[in-house]
Amino acid sequence: KAGVTQTPRYLIKTRGQQVTLSCSPISGHRSVSWYQQTPGQGLQFLFEYFSETQRNKGNFPGRFSGRQFSNSRSEMNVSTLELGDSALYLCASSFGTGRVPDTQYFGPGTRLTVL
Amino acid sequence: AQSVAQPEDQVNVAEGNPLTVKCTYSVSGNPYLFWYVQYPNRGLQFLLKYITGDNLVKGSYGFEAEFNKSQTSFHLKKPSALVSDSALYFCAVRDPSGYSTLTFGKGTMLLVSP
Repeated sequence: KAGVTQTPRYLIKTRGQQVTLSCSPISGHRSVSWYQQTPGQGLQFLFEYFSETQRNKGNFPGRFSGRQFSNSRSEMNVSTLELGDSALYLCASSFGTGRVPDTQYFGPGTRLTVL
Repeated sequence: AQSVAQPEDQVNVAEGNPLTVKCTYSVSGNPYLFWYVQYPNRGLQFLLKYITGDNLVKGSYGFEAEFNKSQTSFHLKKPSALVSDSALYFCAVRDPSGYSTLTFGKGTMLLVSP
């Protein structure tokens, strides 16, 4: 079974631009979560989508947004990029249902550099 | 709110020796705990999780973790370290609200010397 895929793997943008990152979850998984990883702040939760609805959101400004499509693929968008947005953006997928917590599986990440 | 602490930024161990990477947690309700490993320029790879049941959880690549409720700890262990185990290790706790959200510790770099 194919794992979580993220595109692009690397991205270089300048301040003020916007960017869209894409994530394809493992087949059958309906939950997609996004995390930001930086050396200073570590791994921080951005948001989670389940069945095309955002069901949880972390403490990030409104410049960070996302969406999920009917095939469970997800995109996240960052508008008006700032230098501090430079990070590894990780996507994770899981079934997202049931009372027993299932495992989140992570993609390889998208490395965003803002100049 | 839930939280995870990994008190060591780095752990050094010689190949063949046992290793322990420490993790303590704080959560209201049942703790659902995970360990992930990250190699350079890669995403996170799942190692093991504790949901309920036996306090000793076995996972991938020979790793295991011991859940201790009284000490609110979930230490990662391996009886014999390999150089290839050198990586960044993250402990995480799941949001007790039922969402899939994970709260991560800051990570511990494990360095295994030949």
